[in-house]
Amino acid sequence: ETGVTQTPRHLVMGMTNKKSLKCEQHLGHNAMYWYKQSAKKPLELMFVYSLEERVENNSVPSRFSPECPNSSHLFLHLHTLQPEDSALYLCASSQEMGLNYGYTFGSGTRLTVV
Amino acid sequence: DQQVKQNSPSLSVQEGRISILNCDYTNSMFDYFLWYKKYPAEGPTFLISISSIKDKNEDGRFTVFLNKSAKHLSLHIVPSQPGDSAVYFCAASGAGSARQLTFGSGTQLTVLP
Repeated sequence: ETGVTQTPRHLVMGMTNKKSLKCEQHLGHNAMYWYKQSAKKPLELMFVYSLEERVENNSVPSRFSPECPNSSHLFLHLHTLQPEDSALYLCASSQEMGLNYGYTFGSGTRLTVV
Repeated sequence: DQQVKQNSPSLSVQEGRISILNCDYTNSMFDYFLWYKKYPAEGPTFLISISSIKDKNEDGRFTVFLNKSAKHLSLHIVPSQPGDSAVYFCAASGAGSARQLTFGSGTQLTVLP
């Protein structure tokens, strides 16, 4: 399997639940990213990992907890979310962190918090 | 404060005509610009890019123009096809604190047959 794969595609969770989003890339990329896309808003960068180390956290609430066990896998652990956290969560990877290298995105996880 | 702005949330164009999607940016550290296309239920896919050392880049039916003095870029699609109907995101990156991709809010393009 090639590209960036995200699971699950859809997730409905209660505010007291704990769930995890998974992202896997088979492109040999060294950097991985979590983005949040809310309706009519820009894609918001949440976390950046380069060579499995977190290099950026854009002031994301602690109810979102990322994990990057290796360069191919990225997780986003969710707990005690709020309804306003409902959004499309996109994972991306790139050959190297930052500019001039195209990002490859997964298809996203559509999260609904009830 | 949005550093990359796409002020038109939607655009409708007749098949065969030109589609022009616009994007403005405020961060003078940006020196690389990209356009992504997104279909429903799919992630964004890279379409075309331009470096700040150029003012035009062309790839088939797609051309991106960059006006650095106005901090403005545009994507031209000609001729437009119904399969081009999608959300188009403008993105920018640069050195230092601007090194990560910053996206606009997207423009929904609908090409009418």
